[in-house]
Amino acid sequence: ETGVTQSPTHLIKTRGQQVTLRCSSQSGHNTVSWYQQALGQGPQFIFQYYREEENGRGNFPPRFSGLQFPNYSSELNVNALELDDSALYLCASSPASGGTSKNIQYFGAGTRLSVL
Amino acid sequence: AQTVTQSQPEMSVQEAETVTLSCTYDTSESDYYLFWYKQPPSRQMILVIRQEAYKQQNATENRFSVNFQKAAKSFSLKISDSQLGDAAMYFCAYNIGATNKLIFGTGTLLAVQP
Repeated sequence: ETGVTQSPTHLIKTRGQQVTLRCSSQSGHNTVSWYQQALGQGPQFIFQYYREEENGRGNFPPRFSGLQFPNYSSELNVNALELDDSALYLCASSPASGGTSKNIQYFGAGTRLSVL
Repeated sequence: AQTVTQSQPEMSVQEAETVTLSCTYDTSESDYYLFWYKQPPSRQMILVIRQEAYKQQNATENRFSVNFQKAAKSFSLKISDSQLGDAAMYFCAYNIGATNKLIFGTGTLLAVQP
C-alpha cells in the first residue's frame, strides 16, 4: 500500500455530464499528479499540482481541471464528458524534493470512469 | 519527441526462471530518471525499480535488476527466480528531473506459468 487513496473506485456518467474525482496524498507529500490510462495503454500525464498551484500540464483540453487543497488532497474535474474520457484515472503523489525518494511517484488504485 | 517503447506486448516465463523485459526511450535531456512500475489486476501502480541516468551502475532490488545502456537509450528489466506473484502488466517510464512528469510505455503483460 502506498498511502494514496482515490475515490470513488468506479463511476458511471453520461456524455455531457461533469465529474469530480478525489485523491488523498500520502502523508508528507506536497506534489500530486493525475494520469489518464485508457484500456490497454500506458498512463498519460494530465497535470501536476505543487503547493496548490498547477505545475505542468499534458496535452489535455481545458475541460480537464484540478485543485489541490492545503492538506495536499486533490481533485480532478472533467466537464462536458465525452465517450473517449472513459478510462482509469490515476493519482500519484511525491514527496518534497531531496532524500532517497526524490522523483518517485506513489500511485493510488485509480478511479474507473465509464461514460455512456 | 519524448517517447518510451516497449516492443513486447506479452511475455511468459516459468516459475523460478528468469525473464527480461525490454524498453527503449527517447529524450534529449541529460538529467532524468528511469522506472519500472508493475500494475497487477488491482490496478495500483507499484514501483519495482528506479535508475538515475547519471549513475553508470545498474540498479538492483532483490530479484529485480536493470541493464541500463545510456548511449543506446535502453533500459531492460530482468526478473530472476520468477514467482507467481510477479504476474502483472509492467510499464517502463522516465521523467525529466525538473518536472517529475512521467512518460510511460504501452506496457508488457507478464504471465508466470507454474
